[in-house]
Amino acid sequence: DQQVKQNSPSLSVQEGRISILNCDYTNSMFDYFLWYKKYPAEGPTFLISISSIKDKNEDGRFTVFLNKSAKHLSLHIVPSQPGDSAVYFCAASAYTGNQFYFGTGTSLTVIP
Amino acid sequence: DVKVTQSSRYLVKRTGEKVFLECVQDMDHENMFWYRQDPGLGLRLIYFSYDVKMKEKGDIPEGYSVSREKKERFSLILESASTNQTSMYLCASRDMNTEAFFGQGTRLTVV
Repeated sequence: DQQVKQNSPSLSVQEGRISILNCDYTNSMFDYFLWYKKYPAEGPTFLISISSIKDKNEDGRFTVFLNKSAKHLSLHIVPSQPGDSAVYFCAASAYTGNQFYFGTGTSLTVIP
Repeated sequence: DVKVTQSSRYLVKRTGEKVFLECVQDMDHENMFWYRQDPGLGLRLIYFSYDVKMKEKGDIPEGYSVSREKKERFSLILESASTNQTSMYLCASRDMNTEAFFGQGTRLTVV
């Protein structure tokens, strides 16, 4: 059973506009959430994280929002750039746990 | 600069062969992981290890085994490779309460 879900397999956005990637989770024990970016034939690279004590975390063009009551998080990229084109995975873990649970990924294409 | 290194970027093996995928991390992390990535399925956990000689099954351990004899090294073993094990294999390591760092991946093709 998929505990972390990304329901949009793909997303296309014009350069300069906002990209919003969504992620839902089912396990209420999760309290640490991350986003990873992955290019083809490379390993995922860490982008941004948020713990459950916050509802927002920003790092440059990237902002992650967490809605604990809805068990939903989103990644906003503003402004989007062609180099942002990649697959984005959200992941979740419990602070006391060892492993991450990953979503199935959203392929973002930023159109110049 | 933190580093997780996987021994091969690309591998081609024959059905029935025993295959070893090696992973080394230089961050003194306790936890190490093996995932496989397949289109539409995301990253699925095969095995993880939280200490030397300790291992736990992930979501899809069938057909795989692991070895962790030293803290920095975590090996994934395909006992008898099959075509349905053709995939991208990703090794990762982390400390508690931090992000995971991934290797560059190994694209394994079983023919």
